[in-house]
Amino acid sequence: QVQLQESGPGLVKPSETLSLTCSVSGGSISNYFWNWIRQPAGKGLEWIGRIYAGGRTTDNPALKGRVTMSLDPSNNLFSLHLSSVAAADTAVYYCARGGIVGAPGLYYFDYWGQGALVSVSS
Amino acid sequence: EIVLTQSPGTLSLSPGERATLSCRASQSLSNSYVAWYQQKPGQAPRLLIYGASSRATGVPDRFSGSGSGTDFALTISRLEPEDFAVYYCQQYGGSPLFTFGPGTKVDIK
Repeated sequence: QVQLQESGPGLVKPSETLSLTCSVSGGSISNYFWNWIRQPAGKGLEWIGRIYAGGRTTDNPALKGRVTMSLDPSNNLFSLHLSSVAAADTAVYYCARGGIVGAPGLYYFDYWGQGALVSVSS
Repeated sequence: EIVLTQSPGTLSLSPGERATLSCRASQSLSNSYVAWYQQKPGQAPRLLIYGASSRATGVPDRFSGSGSGTDFALTISRLEPEDFAVYYCQQYGGSPLFTFGPGTKVDIK
């Protein structure tokens, strides 16, 4: 059974960088798309971006280039860095597995972490 | 950006009743690109339906998905107590690559 677990600081100061790590167990991170999704309190879901083999990434243009992601296959984990944060970035951040790289038709998120609440405040 | 609109915002029903949730896209989608999730308070979303109509592993058969083009639906044939939750539709394609609808809350009447 694949399991994902987010970790990182729960409080970040405005203008600083939010950093989270997602550890994957029960399966290899190779050959899959790995995503970050966030949810402000009481609101809906926003896709942040994804990373896959070789560190290739796609992110949400709404975040205006503030997103950096990395992949660490040797430790079976991947990371999110969101720069220049503001109060609007306060949310629960989820990591989630997407489809298999190179396999069409798998355009959904089948495994999710439990979520990490990150607050932006001075 | 492909915008998803879900209706109704809240659906108040009793256990045993049938629930029909709607998801409308701002442009036509391939069926392969539509998924549905269930989210309970304090929990991560759970994949229910992918490819518009395929149930994810372990999802009871009272959940079904349908639709094509711009109109999709999630139906719960007979509501069980554990089905009261928020439901989101999700699409793939365009920019950003993935978007979610605002959600439909199914609560107990």
